[in-house]
Amino acid sequence: GAVVSQHPSWVICKSGTSVKIECRSLDFQATTMFWYRQFPKQSLMLMATSNEGSKATYEQGVEKDKFLINHASLTLSTLTVTSAHPEDSSFYICSASRAGTDLFGPGTRLLVL
Amino acid sequence: RKEVEQDPGPFNVPEGATVAFNCTYSNSASQSFFWYRQDCRKEPKLLMSVYSSGNEDGRFTAQLNRASQYISLLIRDSKLSDSATYLCVVNNNYQLIWGAGTKLIIKP
Repeated sequence: GAVVSQHPSWVICKSGTSVKIECRSLDFQATTMFWYRQFPKQSLMLMATSNEGSKATYEQGVEKDKFLINHASLTLSTLTVTSAHPEDSSFYICSASRAGTDLFGPGTRLLVL
Repeated sequence: RKEVEQDPGPFNVPEGATVAFNCTYSNSASQSFFWYRQDCRKEPKLLMSVYSSGNEDGRFTAQLNRASQYISLLIRDSKLSDSATYLCVVNNNYQLIWGAGTKLIIKP
């Protein structure tokens, strides 16, 4: 069946480096990809919405130049955290959506030292 | 078999009724469990964590059955505002495995 995967599962990096997170959907053509961030013991916070082939729409307070989103195809979206800082440490989750069906990825844990 | 399975529904329930749905998981080593609620076209919101001893929050009761590998969510005195999709989430080695959700529709 259709699943969504994220890679990598874990990232530990030094402050100032950039990290790319991939979100892939298998057997599911996602017209829209959502990127969420989750801090410990909190619910998901929507960061941005991207439609295939167009620019992402960012939520208020999310810097588009810091969190670069590319949705190049119906099965792949990437989130790049540029010049990561310790406050960017979080759990990043993607969701692939089409025709009212949302499939969630397993998440990527980012720890910035 | 999917790692986390839910009946997609929809469950059509009259207002005031009690409704319950389950979520089964395949990995017996799963560490923690959650129920999320997602309203149409909105982000999922954490409804409650599921503890081994079962837990209650107002009209909502969550239970975990490790032997049979399922968690349940029971909603009492259902209200129109409970209409949503309920997502079961299982934590496996710090990765969240999401069920596809159960759609609940409360009717007046």
